Amino acid sequence: GQSLEQPSEVTAVEGAIVQINCTYQTSGFYGLSWYQQHDGGAPTFLSYNALDGLEETGRFSSFLSRSDSYGYLLLQELQMKDSASYFCAVSRANDYKLSFGAGTTVTVRA
Amino acid sequence: DAGITQSPRYKITETGRQVTLMCHQTWSHSYMFWYRQDLGHGLRLIYYSAAADITDKGEVPDGYVVSRSKTENFPLTLESATRSQTSVYFCASSDHQTATDTQYFGPGTRLTVL
Repeated sequence: GQSLEQPSEVTAVEGAIVQINCTYQTSGFYGLSWYQQHDGGAPTFLSYNALDGLEETGRFSSFLSRSDSYGYLLLQELQMKDSASYFCAVSRANDYKLSFGAGTTVTVRA
Repeated sequence: DAGITQSPRYKITETGRQVTLMCHQTWSHSYMFWYRQDLGHGLRLIYYSAAADITDKGEVPDGYVVSRSKTENFPLTLESATRSQTSVYFCASSDHQTATDTQYFGPGTRLTVL
């Protein structure tokens, strides 16, 4: 089977840095993705890691450690528009499906 | 360039009725997915499809039926709706050509079963 764990909620102020952790247990692990979903909207792709290390995309970065079955999404210079839910998702080798975590709701306060 | 669309966007129905949610994508992506999203459960896969006429069950398929006669369409039918099927339903597509397996989501259908 598969399982993903991520915190349910995080609150931070504008300009701060937030780290959302994701631990997974997945046989045949291939890669870890992150999706953002604003309230009432559709999930949209943010980032992907297949190899260990950090991937940077503007203010957002994602990290993966395959040996620890762990990854995180780092949100820097938080803005009000970053208030949203963030989902980690794992993909498996030879499988085109994704398995999503329950999501982390990030609330940015002024 | 509509991308991926869903209809209806909102639907209220009664227990026992049959409901069909439509999904259409214009990218000719091979892979399509149906998810339901409920508070505290994230996105749960209902059914998925690798190509026209190829479908398979996901994590929570009971009470749902899908078909895929054309690559661009992937309708989801609730044969006899129950209150527990009240949820937000998202359709997604992927071409599986990219290393990231990125899925592109439709805007969702909010379904209420009374």
